[in-house]
Amino acid sequence: ELKVEQNPLFLSMQEGKNYTIYCNYSTTSDRLYWYRQDPGKSLESLFVLLSNGAVKQEGRLMASLDTKARLSTLHITAAVHDLSATYFCAVEPITQGGSEKLVFGKGTKLTVNP
Amino acid sequence: DAGVTQSPTHLIKTRGQQVTLRCSPKSGHDTVSWYQQALGQGPQFIFQYYEEEERQRGNFPDRFSGHQFPNYSSELNVNALLLGDSALYLCASSPGLAGQFFGPGTRLTVL
Repeated sequence: ELKVEQNPLFLSMQEGKNYTIYCNYSTTSDRLYWYRQDPGKSLESLFVLLSNGAVKQEGRLMASLDTKARLSTLHITAAVHDLSATYFCAVEPITQGGSEKLVFGKGTKLTVNP
Repeated sequence: DAGVTQSPTHLIKTRGQQVTLRCSPKSGHDTVSWYQQALGQGPQFIFQYYEEEERQRGNFPDRFSGHQFPNYSSELNVNALLLGDSALYLCASSPGLAGQFFGPGTRLTVL
């Protein structure tokens, strides 16, 4: 059974600092997703990583995927308060026939303090 | 494009009752998945529908059932509600192999 582990689960950081969230998964997959969730809201898609070595950047967030290590990272650069949210990684096991279920990590609750 | 829509937004039921949640996928998407997100947890996969058939199912009891209509919209039914069924229920649609887009969710409270 595919397991997805995120760490840390809670992250409190100061504005302007850098930090990395880690996502490890237990079986082979070429597809990994990062989502943001604000309190009481749905999931907002941040990044879709579809191959080994994929790197994507949007603003102060950068995500990468190492399928051999079964590891993805979400790097935060010069954090600002607006980045405060819960971040989830999700892995999609690949089988024949199309899109399958997503297996989510427990999420990382990020708080950026002034 | 309206994106994925869900109804209702909020719902309050009592134990033992039955509930139906509805989802309309994003235009052009033919696959609908349902997830349950308990407070403080990551979403858990319930099941997925494609071409009006249940294609894959997660570890949820038979009290959870679903349906997909010819226009690709979907319903999630939960019978004999338990307090533990209180959660945010998320619908996601996808056009096959390109990832899933989530709707705003339905917040179900069971008293």
